[in-house]
Amino acid sequence: DQQVKQNSPSLSVQEGRISILNCDYTNSMFDYFLWYKKYPAEGPTFLISISSIKDKNEDGRFTVFLNKSAKHLSLHIVPSQPGDSAVYFCAAAIGGYQKVTFGTGTKLQVIP
Amino acid sequence: DAGITQSPRHKVTETGTPVTLRCHQTENHRYMYWYRQDPGHGLRLIHYSYGVKDTDKGEVSDGYSVSRSKTEDFLLTLESATSSQTSVYFCAISESQADNSPLHFGNGTRLTVT
Repeated sequence: DQQVKQNSPSLSVQEGRISILNCDYTNSMFDYFLWYKKYPAEGPTFLISISSIKDKNEDGRFTVFLNKSAKHLSLHIVPSQPGDSAVYFCAAAIGGYQKVTFGTGTKLQVIP
Repeated sequence: DAGITQSPRHKVTETGTPVTLRCHQTENHRYMYWYRQDPGHGLRLIHYSYGVKDTDKGEVSDGYSVSRSKTEDFLLTLESATSSQTSVYFCAISESQADNSPLHFGNGTRLTVT
């Protein structure tokens, strides 16, 4: 039972445009959400997070939006750059990091 | 780059043999985790540790055991490797359970069980 779902396995975007990566979750107990970025042959690296008490968090070119009623979050990257090409994992946690649940990932390709 | 070293980086082993993967951290973080990454499943938690000699099971712990005798080392053991354990294994650490202390991952160990 996949509690965190990333329904788009891949996404292609032109350089300079907006990339929108989506994530849905089923467990209403999740209270903290994260996005990780992963390059080939490397471990995932933390990108941005959001608490369930907020609906938006911004860090430079990266913004995460949370819609609790729809159990949906999204990551916006503006403007997209070729170096953003990677696999992006959505993740969710309940009350801390003991058991973080990850989605299956979306592979983003930014075309120069 | 968090000080996390996983060894070996690659390993090929035969079904039925024992395998131990090592995670070493230089950050003195309390919490350590083992995840596996498989196509179509993302990252799944195998075991985690919340202190020396304190460990607990994750989502996919069957067939795996762990040990943590020192703060800096977290070992993952496959007692008798099976082909279903072919995967990429990631170690992660975190300083606390607080919201501003996300997981930091090592670069992974690619394990192939033939």
